[in-house]
Amino acid sequence: NAGVMQNPRHLVRRRGQEARLRCSPMKGHSHVYWYRQLPEEGLKFMVYLQKENIIDESGMPKERFSAEFPKEGPSILRIQQVVRGDSAAYFCASSPTGDLLYGYTFGSGTRLTVV
Amino acid sequence: DQQVKQNSPSLSVQEGRISILNCDYTNSMFDYFLWYKKYPAEGPTFLISISSIKDKNEDGRFTVFLNKSAKHLSLHIVPSQPGDSAVYFCAASAGNYNNNDMRFGAGTRLTVKP
Repeated sequence: NAGVMQNPRHLVRRRGQEARLRCSPMKGHSHVYWYRQLPEEGLKFMVYLQKENIIDESGMPKERFSAEFPKEGPSILRIQQVVRGDSAAYFCASSPTGDLLYGYTFGSGTRLTVV
Repeated sequence: DQQVKQNSPSLSVQEGRISILNCDYTNSMFDYFLWYKKYPAEGPTFLISISSIKDKNEDGRFTVFLNKSAKHLSLHIVPSQPGDSAVYFCAASAGNYNNNDMRFGAGTRLTVKP
């Protein structure tokens, strides 16, 4: 039973390009969360999705960022026209019910570097 | 807005001794607290949690203490082992168990020396 799979592990983009980060939740998990960790900071909530629905995107920047979790396939976090300030580690987590009681299972993250 | 604060960026402890990691919060609505452990190049791993109706939760070598009046929680690791060396994040949530808006502290890097 594979854990939460994120790819790529490392992604380098030039300013103005698009970045696509993928997350496959654990089998049986229909709740997906994206977090961002800037250098020397804790994890910051970005968006919470269930299959085909965005439940809470209050942590997402208003522009350039979008997320989806289609009926088939992984969840995608998309960043358009990347800027240097987008450089960070992006973590995806999943849970079967959305219940916090046992925490979430995190993936290993995607490190985005914008040059 | 830093609602969850871990004021010690690092902690060094001798193997076999107790490690105490501290966490303070400002939002009195927080009612569920979690600790995560993170190794380099890996995602955070859930360690232990506590709800606000309790003041202590124990799981093996790990115990979390909650002081609601002081808005303070701590994680005790006894005895500490070299494999415990990692970054520890404190997280808090308000509302109910389904609330997705966990707030994380900045983390404390624990080093356990053999």
